[in-house]
Amino acid sequence: QVQLQESGPGLVKPSQTLSLTCSVSGGSISSGTYYWNWIRQPAGKGLEWIGRIYASGSTNYNPSLKSRVTMSVDTSKNQFSLNLSSVTAADTAVYYCARRHCSGAACYDVFDIWGQGTMVTVSS
Amino acid sequence: SYDLTQPPSVSVSPGQTASITCSGDKLGHKFTYWYQQKPGQSPVMVMYQDSKRPSGIPERFFGSNSGNTATLTISGTQAMDEADYYCQAWDGTTAVFGGGTKLTVL
Repeated sequence: QVQLQESGPGLVKPSQTLSLTCSVSGGSISSGTYYWNWIRQPAGKGLEWIGRIYASGSTNYNPSLKSRVTMSVDTSKNQFSLNLSSVTAADTAVYYCARRHCSGAACYDVFDIWGQGTMVTVSS
Repeated sequence: SYDLTQPPSVSVSPGQTASITCSGDKLGHKFTYWYQQKPGQSPVMVMYQDSKRPSGIPERFFGSNSGNTATLTISGTQAMDEADYYCQAWDGTTAVFGGGTKLTVL
């Protein structure tokens, strides 16, 4: 059973860089044609997709955040990471990592396994 | 950018049918996905590719998508179905979520 776990600082100062890691257990981050996603949710609000990364390192980012987002993958550690630069209070949210759904030989562009989420507050 | 619009709230009586809509330009030409999120929990996939139900999701969940509107229908709604529901689609290589619908079972 694959599980995802987010980790990183819960408090980041304005203008600094938010850095989070998602650790994958119970399966290899390199297997199949999975891609790995970051999604966030401000308190009491909806979900916002930040971007995705393949095990190859190929990425796609939300255009609204693209100038501030960098994702990376470390296959040796079975982890992938998010860096969000120049943060403001508007970046305060629960950050989730999530995996693409694959069933047998078929993969679908939907997120089937999510981490528990980690709360990040941007404040001085 | 591509927008998905959901009603903020839907109410249903136990045992009745709940319909949650998701609207977007030519949404029927895209696949729509649905997630259920209960308070304090991570979202759970309840429908993919418009009408495919993942294993473990009750048969009372049904999905459809045509024209500009996708619909998640829950027949025989139970108290445990009370949650926020989000639709999601892709605009090229960007995933887009609807604003979410709070389903109240009363």
